[in-house]
Amino acid sequence: AQSVTQLGSHVSVSEGALVLLRCNYSSSVPPYLFWYVQYPNQGLQLLLKYTSAATLVKGINGFEAEFKKSETSFHLTKPSAHMSDAAEYFCALYTGGFKTIFGAGTRLFVKA
Amino acid sequence: SQTIHQWPATLVQPVGSPLSLECTVEGTSNPNLYWYRQAAGRGLQLLFYSVGIGQISSEVPQNLSASRPQDRQFILSSKKLLLSDSGFYLCAWGPNTEAFFGQGTRLTVV
Repeated sequence: AQSVTQLGSHVSVSEGALVLLRCNYSSSVPPYLFWYVQYPNQGLQLLLKYTSAATLVKGINGFEAEFKKSETSFHLTKPSAHMSDAAEYFCALYTGGFKTIFGAGTRLFVKA
Repeated sequence: SQTIHQWPATLVQPVGSPLSLECTVEGTSNPNLYWYRQAAGRGLQLLFYSVGIGQISSEVPQNLSASRPQDRQFILSSKKLLLSDSGFYLCAWGPNTEAFFGQGTRLTVV
């Protein structure tokens, strides 16, 4: 069965520190993977996507994610956190047939 | 460029009342359209999707229905709301694998 698991419902970092949000997936076919960000009371915004090209994917706002097939992971990173990065982040897997499944989300807190 | 509009932003409705949430997309034709519901602390649950006018696929049996009367219009409805229908509803469109979301509607059923 296809699934997405985000490790950690809450992550707290200091401003300027590394951001690492974890996502593992299960898929029987080559996956299409995504990271979305959601600010309070807003819709989701696409940060980046992996579609079987380069394994290191760069997105908006300085975020990037690395696809690791051997670990079935697609972790999101940013070298230096900014206060404006505080939001909820969702990992997602396109399962085909016009359907996408989303992880439960990880809320990122950034401390001054 | 493509834009998606969803309204209203917030809605408070009594139990048993009807519901109509509307979503429109501009700048593209024949988009795939989606309605999701987001509960607190949980991911997004796909409710309905549509690949064309009048074509609706339902993912979860529930008290809601969807319609697509025009190419770029997607409507979420209910005849009688339940308390459990409260949540954050998101409309999205997508050309293929990724989705672009509206701003969402916060529905509170009281």
